[in-house]
Amino acid sequence: DTEVTQTPKHLVMGMTNKKSLKCEQHMGHRAMYWYKQKAKKPPELMFVYSYEKLSINESVPSRFSPECPNSSLLNLHLHALQPEDSALYLCASSQALRGATDTQYFGPGTRLTVL
Amino acid sequence: ELKVEQNPLFLSMQEGKNYTIYCNYSTTSDRLYWYRQDPGKSLESLFVLLSNGAVKQEGRLMASLDTKARLSTLHITAAVHDLSATYFCAVDRSWGGSEKLVFGKGTKLTVNP
Repeated sequence: DTEVTQTPKHLVMGMTNKKSLKCEQHMGHRAMYWYKQKAKKPPELMFVYSYEKLSINESVPSRFSPECPNSSLLNLHLHALQPEDSALYLCASSQALRGATDTQYFGPGTRLTVL
Repeated sequence: ELKVEQNPLFLSMQEGKNYTIYCNYSTTSDRLYWYRQDPGKSLESLFVLLSNGAVKQEGRLMASLDTKARLSTLHITAAVHDLSATYFCAVDRSWGGSEKLVFGKGTKLTVNP
């Protein structure tokens, strides 16, 4: 099973709203990632959690707040977003084993629109 | 700073033809990946290449890696319409036990009947 699930599939929110994106995997992976992808652009890394600890934050604005409650779940809390934050948000996971192929498996994404 | 360049960015080809997509990267890396993305969809892993001279094939796609030249190629043989998609290469910079993938800009492939 190489499935990463994300909810919701689509989200429309106003600039004053607070919402959360959820990601789940049951592959026993210990690294989880958030990416942002604008239309016709490659994914851009936002955050990496390794063994439930935040290991990389790519200078993401504080209106995005990640959370990793356990090894299977990854959340992205959204608050006071701007219209330019509208994008496809992708979650990924990998084994986090040195020396392994350690492919990142991506979820289907949440398409976010900020009005 | 690690940079990954793909070319071409757009590729329109006829069914049955062969073509190659190129991926250059600027610094040494542990691993190189190829992903496919259909419009509005997520990324599907195609290949992971670990070492110099590595070659992997799946159906009509073949990927290779030359670490000395910092170059990977994705060769398409006898293209079919179903291969139409955007193809990304990505290079890994392992950092603190987790990976930081840097993606190329992607090659949008359109296969015409």
